[in-house]
Amino acid sequence: DTGVSQDPRHKITKRGQNVTFRCDPISEHNRLYWYRQTLGQGPEFLTYFQNEAQLEKSRLLSDRFSAERPKGSFSTLEIQRTEQGDSAMYLCASSLAQIHPHEQFFGPGTRLTVL
Amino acid sequence: SQQGEEDPQALSIQEGENATMNCSYKTSINNLQWYRQNSGRGLVHLILIRSNEREKHSGRLRVTLDTSKKSSSLLITASRAADTASYFCALISIQGAQKLVFGQGTRLTINP
Repeated sequence: DTGVSQDPRHKITKRGQNVTFRCDPISEHNRLYWYRQTLGQGPEFLTYFQNEAQLEKSRLLSDRFSAERPKGSFSTLEIQRTEQGDSAMYLCASSLAQIHPHEQFFGPGTRLTVL
Repeated sequence: SQQGEEDPQALSIQEGENATMNCSYKTSINNLQWYRQNSGRGLVHLILIRSNEREKHSGRLRVTLDTSKKSSSLLITASRAADTASYFCALISIQGAQKLVFGQGTRLTINP
């Protein structure tokens, strides 16, 4: 257990529905990252926050995806109008910029299945 | 592409043997990291090697980095059944990006 938690761990939804995932980073970590991992592949970067500011977004993050970190603590990732291609593991990670900015601690992930 | 490419894609060895996994990349890096992922679980950070380092050790792990060849290797000595997992290299580029760029991983199976 790295101290990063994600909820829910599994989500099954029908195509066209909206889903929201939550990530709680390690409490003192000011950077938070979202990645997506499909079966048999390595994780792909989606977006990252430093405190509450969203500093980088991948072009993988279409306009159906939105991420927030309103108070610089937990973060949510919402997918609107889900598609079957959105089925994947969504991973959250956090790091402490001042000490080990590049060592990221990952949560257990949320596995999304879109039917 | 900045992405690391790993070799082999799958490796199966007997318990007690050493396992070597390789990672090649194309960009200039700040550092390169190795992560382990057990089936269906999150990633666990194993080791980070900076661009000015050539070798690092952590327990039974040994990582090398050759920036002239843009390659890294992860050696696990005296493998155990519990080492069965997928291993990923991930790099931080020198262009100031904070994101990790992962390879496709090596699926390691240790046979008892």
